Parts: sequence; C-alpha cells; structure tokens
Amino acid sequence: SQQGEEDPQALSIQEGENATMNCSYKTSINNLQWYRQNSGRGLVHLILIRSNEREKHSGRLRVTLDTSKKSSSLLITASRAADTASYFCATVVQGGSEKLVFGKGTKLTVNP
Amino acid sequence: EAQVTQNPRYLITVTGKKLTVTCSQNMNHEYMSWYRQDPGLGLRQIYYSMNVEVTDKGDVPEGYKVSRKEKRNFPLILESPSPNQTSLYFCASSAGPGETQYFGPGTRLLVL
Repeated sequence: SQQGEEDPQALSIQEGENATMNCSYKTSINNLQWYRQNSGRGLVHLILIRSNEREKHSGRLRVTLDTSKKSSSLLITASRAADTASYFCATVVQGGSEKLVFGKGTKLTVNP
Repeated sequence: EAQVTQNPRYLITVTGKKLTVTCSQNMNHEYMSWYRQDPGLGLRQIYYSMNVEVTDKGDVPEGYKVSRKEKRNFPLILESPSPNQTSLYFCASSAGPGETQYFGPGTRLLVL
C-alpha cells in the first residue's frame, strides 16, 4: 500500500537555488518523517514533524505539514552539490497497524 | 557508536538455496523492520517486529521469514530464494514505528 507519494519524482537545480519537494498521503497520521538517501546507501533521518505541528526547521531544511490537505513539503535552501540524493517521506497510519510506509522518493540533483 | 549492522553486504546466490541476512542493533530499540528497495518502487516493508517474539507482516512478506529471539537481532530468512527477490535490502531499528528509524548500510542480493 502506498501511503506517501513524493512529487516531483526528479528535480534538477543549480547550486544556491532552493529545492522544494512535496509529499501527499491518504489517511490520518500521527507524524511524518523525511529521510535522505545517497545513492545505494542506507537512509538517514532528516526531520520528524508531528500532526499538531505546522512547520519545523533544521539548518537549511524547512518542513511544513498541512493535515487538512494531507500533504507535507521539504524545502532545502541554498542547495549544495552535496545535497544531491533521494528524499523520502514516511508515515504511520493513525490508529492502524504499526507499519511504516515510505513514498517512492524524489531524486534531487544539484548541479555545481 | 549507535549503529545497525547487516551482513553480508553483498550476496550472489542461486535459486532455491536458503540464505539468512543478519541484522543487529546496539541501541536497545524495540522496533525493527526489514525493507526491500527496487528501482521505481521505493522502499517497501517486508516484516516488522514490535518486540522480542512479536513480528508482523509488512507490505511484501511473501517468500521471507523473520525471527526476533533477542532484542538486538532481527534476521531475514529466504528459505527458497527466487530471482524476483533480487533487490537491495535494508534493516532498520527505532524506539517505535513513528520514531526516527536508524538504517543499516544495506545488503545487495542477486539471485541467479
């Protein structure tokens, strides 16, 4: 089952530009997480935002959550070539099983 | 150092030859899970475990078995591997399904 869907599937920008990725989900959630994956490696946790939060910051990352629209966005400001990676959102369905469901990811390429 | 380890990292095998991929974590986490990652399909959860002796199916459990006899270990067993199980496998652990997941480095499996 696909709970989270990232958009766009791929994004290519120049260094210094901002990158925005979106995640939409289908059912109510307790929280939403964003992860980053460098090619073929294990995922690394970036940010967790709870359902009662609307916005969260961590360094150059800004995550928003709109529970009424069932969507979240990840903004990376002043991107660097080292930000090149795939980004995934993940959710656990509220009141459901304990499965954690990942989206298919957005592949970000930051060109130097 | 807090970590999740997987072994082996790379494995080539033949159809029908039973194999086990080990996963171990040193963070005293209760929640552990296995994922497979395939191009275009993102991460899909195979099995998860809420605690010792408590396991449950994820989204793609067919052809896999798991066990959780100790809190730190969560091996993935392929009793009779088939070519469609060729994939990149990740183990992860956390305090709970909705909490930060710590991923292992991945195991690349090729079934001939």
